[in-house]
Amino acid sequence: NAGVTQTPKFQVLKTGQSMTLQCAQDMNHEYMSWYRQDPGMGLRLIHYSVGAGITDQGEVPNGYNVSRSTTEDFPLRLLSAAPSQTSVYFCASSYWGEAYEQYFGPGTRLTVT
Amino acid sequence: AQSVAQPEDQVNVAEGNPLTVKCTYSVSGNPYLFWYVQYPNRGLQFLLKYITGDNLVKGSYGFEAEFNKSQTSFHLKKPSALVSDSALYFCAVRDISGSARQLTFGSGTQLTVLP
Repeated sequence: NAGVTQTPKFQVLKTGQSMTLQCAQDMNHEYMSWYRQDPGMGLRLIHYSVGAGITDQGEVPNGYNVSRSTTEDFPLRLLSAAPSQTSVYFCASSYWGEAYEQYFGPGTRLTVT
Repeated sequence: AQSVAQPEDQVNVAEGNPLTVKCTYSVSGNPYLFWYVQYPNRGLQFLLKYITGDNLVKGSYGFEAEFNKSQTSFHLKKPSALVSDSALYFCAVRDISGSARQLTFGSGTQLTVLP
């Protein structure tokens, strides 16, 4: 199993540009989520999905869109990048249920200038 | 609303000594509690969790954690620290009685084990 994979590893954008961060998992997990990690703030949930065709907002959804057309893939779209979106982004997946731990991808380091 | 506090940004311990990384939580109902570790430039890795049952939970790499309901704490411990344990540690909580049921993470504690 590859687990959770993310691409790209690094990205630099100019303010106003758009891009998509890719996330895929091969564990047949129903639940997938996107977090951003900022120094001293832990991980904050952006969006999540409990299955194909079902997505919902997390704590900090503004400026981001998601879709879930397959169980495996959960891309995160930045619509118009802003310097405040400079962060490290992690995708995670798990079986759906409160007791299950999440498996994390290696992260994407995004810089918006 | 649920929340997690990790009161120490940084913990330093000598190799071979016991280590403790502190975590306290706040939920309106019953908690599920998790510890994750993050090595430099890597994603988070699951260490252990408390769901129900025995208050002392054992996990990966010799780590354990004790759930204390009266003190609303879930401190991470290891009897003898290794230099390779140096990493960023996150505590997380999920309120199983709440409506959101998402994980809330603490701000993280940087553990440095000195040789």
